Amino acid sequence: RKEVEQDPGPFNVPEGATVAFNCTYSNSASQSFFWYRQDCRKEPKLLMSVYSSGNEDGRFTAQLNRASQYISLLIRDSKLSDSATYLCVVNIGPNTGNQFYFGTGTSLTVIP
Amino acid sequence: GAVVSQHPSWVICKSGTSVKIECRSLDFQATTMFWYRQFPKQSLMLMATSNEGSKATYEQGVEKDKFLINHASLTLSTLTVTSAHPEDSSFYICSARGRKRGGITGELFFGEGSRLTVL
Repeated sequence: RKEVEQDPGPFNVPEGATVAFNCTYSNSASQSFFWYRQDCRKEPKLLMSVYSSGNEDGRFTAQLNRASQYISLLIRDSKLSDSATYLCVVNIGPNTGNQFYFGTGTSLTVIP
Repeated sequence: GAVVSQHPSWVICKSGTSVKIECRSLDFQATTMFWYRQFPKQSLMLMATSNEGSKATYEQGVEKDKFLINHASLTLSTLTVTSAHPEDSSFYICSARGRKRGGITGELFFGEGSRLTVL
C-alpha cells in the first residue's frame, strides 16, 4: 500500500467554482502535512501547511482528519492561475527516519 | 526569493557521458538534502537522502554507483549521473532543510530542478 494516495484527476472546473482534493496517508505516526503546488516543468512550491485545527489562507482551506488519516484542500472561487498540479506531502517524522512521502499529485485545470 | 538553487537547469548530453547537478542552499545550512526524479505526469520519486558529512541513503532500486551523491558541505550537494543513458532522461529535483529553514515547520525547500536529456 502506498504511503500517500491521491486522486490524480484531472479536475477541469469553470472559473469561480469550488473544488476539493483529498489525500489519504497510511502511517498513523505521520506528523506533518503539506500541500505543494507544482506548475508544469517547475519545482514544487509550498502552498500551505496543514494544521490539526485546520487552516485557511485566502481562498484556500486545508483540513486534517487524523482519525480517518486524510487531509483535504478546498479552493474557493477558482482562478485561471490556480491551474496546476497539487501535491499532498506527508512527513513521517524524525523518529522514523524523517521521511517525506509525496502523493502522485492532482491535476487541476480552471477553464474560462 | 529562492532559498535553494539548482544548476544546471537544462542539460543535454551524449549517451555514456557523466553529468553533475549541483544543489545549493543559499541562506541556510542544509543538514539534510533530498534528491528526486520525476517522469512526465508522475509524482516525485525519492532517490536518496543525504546528510552532510555522511554517505547518502539510497532508496530501494536506485543504484548508488549510477547516481553518485556528495554532500561535502552544509550548503552544497551534488548528484552525478554516471554513464548516462537515454532512460536516465528525467527531471531531477533537490530539496533541502536545516534548522533555519524547515527545522521547525518541517517544510521542504526545493531547487528549480534540472532537466536531463540523454541522446
